[in-house]
Amino acid sequence: KAGVTQTPRYLIKTRGQQVTLSCSPISGHRSVSWYQQTPGQGLQFLFEYFSETQRNKGNFPGRFSGRQFSNSRSEMNVSTLELGDSALYLCASSLGGLGGNEQFFGPGTRLTVL
Amino acid sequence: KQEVTQIPAALSVPEGENLVLNCSFTDSAIYNLQWFRQDPGKGLTSLLLIQSSQREQTSGRLNASLDKSSGRSTLYIAASQPGDSATYLCAVIDSNYQLIWGAGTKLIIKP
Repeated sequence: KAGVTQTPRYLIKTRGQQVTLSCSPISGHRSVSWYQQTPGQGLQFLFEYFSETQRNKGNFPGRFSGRQFSNSRSEMNVSTLELGDSALYLCASSLGGLGGNEQFFGPGTRLTVL
Repeated sequence: KQEVTQIPAALSVPEGENLVLNCSFTDSAIYNLQWFRQDPGKGLTSLLLIQSSQREQTSGRLNASLDKSSGRSTLYIAASQPGDSATYLCAVIDSNYQLIWGAGTKLIIKP
């Protein structure tokens, strides 16, 4: 069965622009979580969506937002980009959410902000 | 606030050796703990998931243990191979249903 897919794989933007990243979960999975990975901060949790509802949110500013569609696909949006937003953005899907389910990760989207 | 620590940050061993990677967490109120590997420039591959009620999980040459009371988990890799070279990360689901990550152990297996 197909794994988690993320598009695009690479993205270059300039400061002040906005960006939308997409994540398609494994078929049948209803939970999608998003993470930011940087050399300095490591992996940090952004938010989790389950059945189109945001269930949990990490400690990121309001410029970071997301949504989930009825087919469980999820998008993450970052507005007013800053240099510090350059990172690898990973999404993970699971069957029922973070409580007791294994997380399966996509290959990530590498965002570079110039 | 839950914190996850992985020691050592890097490890280099000859091929064929058995090795142990360590993960510790400050708050024992976790739902589960998961071990991942990450190859350079790639996403994460799930290795083992241990529920909070379990003590260990095994998959092939990998064995992970969990001791909630002491806030520790170990990942044991038997008969290491060059293909095992990667960064290994552990993460816990904390009481707020958030995935809290360790910084990882970079493992190099020398042929």
